[in-house]
Amino acid sequence: DVKVTQSSRYLVKRTGEKVFLECVQDMDHENMFWYRQDPGLGLRLIYFSYDVKMKEKGDIPEGYSVSREKKERFSLILESASTNQTSMYLCASTPAGSNQPQHFGDGTRLSIL
Amino acid sequence: LAKTTQPISMDSYEGQEVNITCSHNNIATNDYITWYQQFPSQGPRFIIQGYKTKVTNEVASLFIPADRKSSTLSLPRVSLSDTAVYYCLVGDRTYSGAGSYQLTFGKGTKLSVIP
Repeated sequence: DVKVTQSSRYLVKRTGEKVFLECVQDMDHENMFWYRQDPGLGLRLIYFSYDVKMKEKGDIPEGYSVSREKKERFSLILESASTNQTSMYLCASTPAGSNQPQHFGDGTRLSIL
Repeated sequence: LAKTTQPISMDSYEGQEVNITCSHNNIATNDYITWYQQFPSQGPRFIIQGYKTKVTNEVASLFIPADRKSSTLSLPRVSLSDTAVYYCLVGDRTYSGAGSYQLTFGKGTKLSVIP
């Protein structure tokens, strides 16, 4: 069974801090994704990566960056956290190819004070 | 690329069959239809995927008419534990010529099962 693990379930940070959210998958998947989920807005794609060191912007990349140095790990970085980045962050992975169902982690609930 | 439309919410009594319909008028020829389930404070979970006609697994059935412009997720004899948000996805973008991705979840259908 595919396991996608997000490093923290809950995280509290302060405005202006640099924040790292980590995600690891154990099934050698090529694609990895970061979403945020907010009440009334559903899941929105921030970034995704289709290979090591490769990335593509999603629908709401502003204020975020990502890093993928190893195939199994995909990091989301908030360069200077702001209160409007308080949200649930979800990581997912899929094998390469079209129409692949995504495997999600349980999410990190991030609060920026 | 294709977008999906599904009801915002549905209510059902325990033990009933629930059908959630999703419309996707512009689905591409090569695209599959994928449904996810999400409980509060958890990530979405893949339920079922199909291309045409009918697909059934231990959790649900998926009915897709010949024109593929819509699909219906069927949950037999729902229980309280089926209360969740259900998302329907089809291919909505491509990147770097690497095929079709299903990345737009929308707001889904919130199913409430009543005792």
